[in-house]
Amino acid sequence: DAKTTQPPSMDCAEGRAANLPCNHSTISGNEYVYWYRQIHSQGPQYIIHGLKNNETNEMASLIITEDRKSSTLILPHATLRDTAVYYCIVRVHNDYKLSFGAGTTVTVRA
Amino acid sequence: DTEVTQTPKHLVMGMTNKKSLKCEQHMGHRAMYWYKQKAKKPPELMFVYSYEKLSINESVPSRFSPECPNSSLLNLHLHALQPEDSALYLCASSQPGSLTDTQYFGPGTRLTVL
Repeated sequence: DAKTTQPPSMDCAEGRAANLPCNHSTISGNEYVYWYRQIHSQGPQYIIHGLKNNETNEMASLIITEDRKSSTLILPHATLRDTAVYYCIVRVHNDYKLSFGAGTTVTVRA
Repeated sequence: DTEVTQTPKHLVMGMTNKKSLKCEQHMGHRAMYWYKQKAKKPPELMFVYSYEKLSINESVPSRFSPECPNSSLLNLHLHALQPEDSALYLCASSQPGSLTDTQYFGPGTRLTVL
């Protein structure tokens, strides 16, 4: 019962911004949008999360539309080390369950 | 220290063996998790321990037996596994009620069942 829809794959050029879309049209008012990524052969890594305001940290920015039905993760200057599977997840804050969908495989090319 | 460690990194076992996977964190987190990840698939939640008590079991077969001996350690005991149980087993931890509610993952144990 996937709550999010992401493109299966995307390429981006090293040094350019990578914009990763996510649709979550059935999101509830108390559900947050979380992004994790998984670099090959490693455990998933938390990137950022938000409820309705745009958020930024040292890794990325998260832009959530006003109706909260979609969001975009922005990696401002992609590097080769950003090649990974990126997962967009909606969940109630402090709900133990983290339900991963298929994610987007992002390949950063030199 | 935001590290979750898992041992062993790799494990090969026969269907009649008994083995254990170990996970440790020293972040003071009081929730710990086991996930299973098959090749080219996303991680799937298996168990959640909260304050050393099992709070979620996602209908996992009894050949997988979790144990949380203290707040820093989480084990997964394996017995009579099947070849289809071969996967990457991930451990994670988090602090219930925290602002970011982030789950920190270990690198995983890659299990092969022969």
